[in-house]
Amino acid sequence: KAGVTQTPRYLIKTRGQQVTLSCSPISGHRSVSWYQQTPGQGLQFLFEYFSETQRNKGNFPGRFSGRQFSNSRSEMNVSTLELGDSALYLCASSLNTGPYGYTFGSGTRLTVV
Amino acid sequence: GNSVTQMEGPVTLSEEAFLTINCTYTATGYPSLFWYVQYPGEGLQLLLKATKADDKGSNKGFEATYRKETTSFHLEKGSVQVSDSAVYFCALKREGSQGNLIFGKGTKLSVKP
Repeated sequence: KAGVTQTPRYLIKTRGQQVTLSCSPISGHRSVSWYQQTPGQGLQFLFEYFSETQRNKGNFPGRFSGRQFSNSRSEMNVSTLELGDSALYLCASSLNTGPYGYTFGSGTRLTVV
Repeated sequence: GNSVTQMEGPVTLSEEAFLTINCTYTATGYPSLFWYVQYPGEGLQLLLKATKADDKGSNKGFEATYRKETTSFHLEKGSVQVSDSAVYFCALKREGSQGNLIFGKGTKLSVKP
């Protein structure tokens, strides 16, 4: 059974650019969440999608957006990149929303220069 | 608000030593509780979970008991191995369909041979 796949694994972007990250959940999982991990702030929740609808959103500026497709694959987009957006972005999928454990991907390491 | 507090690391132990990583939480209602582990360069792996008071989660020799009265979910292992060296995260998920994971800061464990 394939795990959660995130692409690309590494990315270097210039300040002011935009970036799109992709996440393919485990087959059958309909919930996809995104988290940002930095040494200073730790793991912070960005947003969660379930059946193409955003169910929950963290406290991030509007430059961070996402979407989910009918096959449950998800993308997140960051526009007008800032140096502080450098982080490991983790995607997690779950069967459903509720008290289920999430399965995480290996993440996309974004560096903004 | 909801939050998770973990003991600060790093924690350094000798192989076969007993491990305890403390975790306490603040939340309304009855959240689900999780321990995740992150190996270098990888995403998070679910280690164990508990969804109601007095539940004991266990996996790979690790255990944690959901203590409602002390709002705690301490991680324990009787005999650690070098391969257990990683960062451990305690997390909670609010009850209901729209709860995201809220993580502690993480505790880095190093096990020496």
